[in-house]
Amino acid sequence: GQNIDQPTEMTATEGAIVQINCTYQTSGFNGLFWYQQHAGEAPTFLSYNVLDGLEEKGRFSSFLSRSKGYSYLLLKELQMKDSASYLCAVLGGGYNKLIFGAGTRLAVHP
Amino acid sequence: DAGVTQSPTHLIKTRGQHVTLRCSPISGHKSVSWYQQVLGQGPQFIFQYYEKEERGRGNFPDRFSARQFPNYSSELNVNALLLGDSALYLCASSSGQGAGDTQYFGPGTRLTVL
Repeated sequence: GQNIDQPTEMTATEGAIVQINCTYQTSGFNGLFWYQQHAGEAPTFLSYNVLDGLEEKGRFSSFLSRSKGYSYLLLKELQMKDSASYLCAVLGGGYNKLIFGAGTRLAVHP
Repeated sequence: DAGVTQSPTHLIKTRGQHVTLRCSPISGHKSVSWYQQVLGQGPQFIFQYYEKEERGRGNFPDRFSARQFPNYSSELNVNALLLGDSALYLCASSSGQGAGDTQYFGPGTRLTVL
């Protein structure tokens, strides 16, 4: 079956660092994506990992371990505008459909 | 460049009615995927189209159908609406080629079924 797990909610302080974990079990794997979604808006692309290791993009970094079925999104120097849901999604299924987790709601407070 | 556009933004229907949602992909993209997102959940895959052909279908009833036009825009149709069809319907655009094909989402259509 297809299963993607991530924590439901997290809270963090402005200026701090937060790590959002994601574990997955899927049939087929063509990479793992992280999207950010503010309430009532569409998901916006943050990062893509297909090989093991860390990908860094400004304040955001994403890590992948294919053997462990594990990824994390690291957000540094948190800002209030980072309060949003973060969606972990695996690209697979033979024709590149995205399989999403339920999302992690991050609340950043002063 | 314009991003993915969807229309309408919001829609209110009653049970039993049908609805048509529209999507225009990013210029140059040939693949469109449709997702349903219920409040508090991640998006669920409905359909994927590439070059006007259905490439894949998720676990949705036959009341859901879609098509893609020669200009790569797409329509999602839902017949015999149920209360449970109330959701945000997202369209995602991608090149349709290669592994790791990034999908970019439109603003969505918020459908409410009363």
